[in-house]
Amino acid sequence: KQEVTQIPAALSVPEGENLVLNCSFTDSAIYNLQWFRQDPGKGLTSLLLIQSSQREQTSGRLNASLDKSSGRSTLYIAASQPGDSATYLCAVSGNTPLVFGKGTRLSVIA
Amino acid sequence: GAVVSQHPSRVICKSGTSVKIECRSLDFQATTMFWYRQFPKQSLMLMATSNEGSKATYEQGVEKDKFLINHASLTLSTLTVTSAHPEDSSFYICSAGDRNRGFPYEQYFGPGTRLTVT
Repeated sequence: KQEVTQIPAALSVPEGENLVLNCSFTDSAIYNLQWFRQDPGKGLTSLLLIQSSQREQTSGRLNASLDKSSGRSTLYIAASQPGDSATYLCAVSGNTPLVFGKGTRLSVIA
Repeated sequence: GAVVSQHPSRVICKSGTSVKIECRSLDFQATTMFWYRQFPKQSLMLMATSNEGSKATYEQGVEKDKFLINHASLTLSTLTVTSAHPEDSSFYICSAGDRNRGFPYEQYFGPGTRLTVT
């Protein structure tokens, strides 16, 4: 059974810092991995989707990497801003529907 | 493109009543819709998968007679929580995808519905 773990559970950084969020999964037989953003009481916003054949995807200040063989992904956020404060969820797609991690709650302090 | 809406965004109901939540794909045909439940500070847990015109497939531990899912058209799926109890209070999120785009297809998420049962 696929399990997704995200570390840390919570993170607080000063504005302007670069940061890394981690995601690991137990079954490397995945089709793709997605990173989502969730604001309090809101739905999900897809940030980046990495296909299993890819190693990374970039969008603006965000860069996500994927090492399928080791079951790991990282989300790198450059020059963090208070508006980046949210919960970031990692999810993998394989033979089962999307399996989500519990997320990392990020607070960027002005 | 690929917008999914949910209605209502918030609902408060009394214990024992039933509540219906709608999930609509606004600009694409959703052959498959997924219903998730999220408890505070927890991850999204898949409740069921529904394909248009077919019965929903429920995940282990989810009571199909309590959580009724209908996916009668390519743009609308409904989740009805029957005889709701306070422990059903949660954030319900739907997602939609088009399996005709090839597997794996991307899922597009709705904004969620906050259900509070008093």
